[in-house]
Amino acid sequence: GAGVSQSPSNKVTEKGKDVELRCDPISGHTALYWYRQRLGQGLEFLIYFQGNSAPDKSGLPSDRFSAERTGESVSTLTIQRTQQEDSAVYLCASSLVSVSNQPQHFGDGTRLSIL
Amino acid sequence: GESVGLHLPTLSVQEGDNSIINCAYSNSASDYFIWYKQESGKGPQFIIDIRSNMDKRQGQRVTVLLNKTVKHLSLQIAATQPGDSAVYFCAEHGSSNTGKLIFGQGTTLQVKP
Repeated sequence: GAGVSQSPSNKVTEKGKDVELRCDPISGHTALYWYRQRLGQGLEFLIYFQGNSAPDKSGLPSDRFSAERTGESVSTLTIQRTQQEDSAVYLCASSLVSVSNQPQHFGDGTRLSIL
Repeated sequence: GESVGLHLPTLSVQEGDNSIINCAYSNSASDYFIWYKQESGKGPQFIIDIRSNMDKRQGQRVTVLLNKTVKHLSLQIAATQPGDSAVYFCAEHGSSNTGKLIFGQGTTLQVKP
């Protein structure tokens, strides 16, 4: 199906390394979101993109985290100098537009483990 | 601050019974709410949504109730099946100026055969 696709599905890396996570949104969805989910917890908002508007970065936990999006397609989330507390599942979602009444549809996430 | 919380961390029901999962929210300005189901190793799956100008919405075997007076949201699942076993999250769209959702901690629903 044409759902949200994320890669890799799992990533194990050593502390201090940089990682890049990828998200392919549903075709035609102009809004794209990144969330983080720690084990046994709910989702924490990280960042969202809406068309050509400036992204809302208010959820990024530190300057080690950054994200980019090319037009209305692929997005990458980059974590530099990874720390053990970065271990989590990183989820991407997309929606038709970034306003109320539009449900966000999620991918299956990237499970990131920092050794 | 803004928060969305769930009353019960785990709910265990017998197959065939009805399930009710509750959620409290704190932002009275929130205008849109969504229930998601998350199975192990998967991303959250959209179940049903409701706008703040409604108090009830029904889907297939599911009903969402919104009580704005007490800022309470509930998900009712009729004739619960083993395939309904998962973690359920309510999410709140806190402002029309931002796309972010605020999630609760989740309720685990266990269906006993």
